[in-house]
Amino acid sequence: AQSVTQPDIHITVSEGASLELRCNYSYGATPYLFWYVQSPGQGLQLLLKYFSGDTLVQGIKGFEAEFKRSQSSFNLRKPSVHWSDAAEYFCAVVSYSSASKIIFGSGTRLSIRP
Amino acid sequence: DTAVSQTPKYLVTQMGNDKSIKCEQNLGHDTMYWYKQDSKKFLKIMFSYNNKELIINETVPNRFSPKSPDKAHLNLHINSLELGDSAVYFCASSPSRDGEAFFGQGTRLTVV
Repeated sequence: AQSVTQPDIHITVSEGASLELRCNYSYGATPYLFWYVQSPGQGLQLLLKYFSGDTLVQGIKGFEAEFKRSQSSFNLRKPSVHWSDAAEYFCAVVSYSSASKIIFGSGTRLSIRP
Repeated sequence: DTAVSQTPKYLVTQMGNDKSIKCEQNLGHDTMYWYKQDSKKFLKIMFSYNNKELIINETVPNRFSPKSPDKAHLNLHINSLELGDSAVYFCASSPSRDGEAFFGQGTRLTVV
């Protein structure tokens, strides 16, 4: 069965520092991969997505992610975080066999140190 | 203009009651979902509809009944509410089946 693992429950970084949030997926074929962000008390907003092609994808708010098939990973990165980036981040996968089923990881909470 | 709107935003009710949550999207999308987010922030799909047709029902108790009167609306009715139903419920819509979903603000349901 398809699954998504986010090994880091909570990460704290200093404002202006770089960020990498980890995501590993389990799926037989090339999946559709996503990163969503959830600010406190809000719904989820799509940051970026990977379907095929260039393995480095750019998203909104200065985020990017790299698909690495050999590592079954889709890590999210940002070169310099801002205090407003503090939120919960979810990696997600959609399978071809059940294309309307979005499977989310357990989330990583990002805190920003002033 | 809110793309996916849910009402109410907060819902506090007693055990055993029946309640409904409404969802509307003005994006013209064909696919709509209900997700449940528990206290640990874990998101789990409950239902998915495509053009008013139920296509995913994820082993949800039959006390939960979704209804889609048209493709812009997907409501969730819950009978005989239990303490364990307390969670945040998110409605979402998608233009296709590829998973790029647009989420509502959520409905925080508290059963006391």
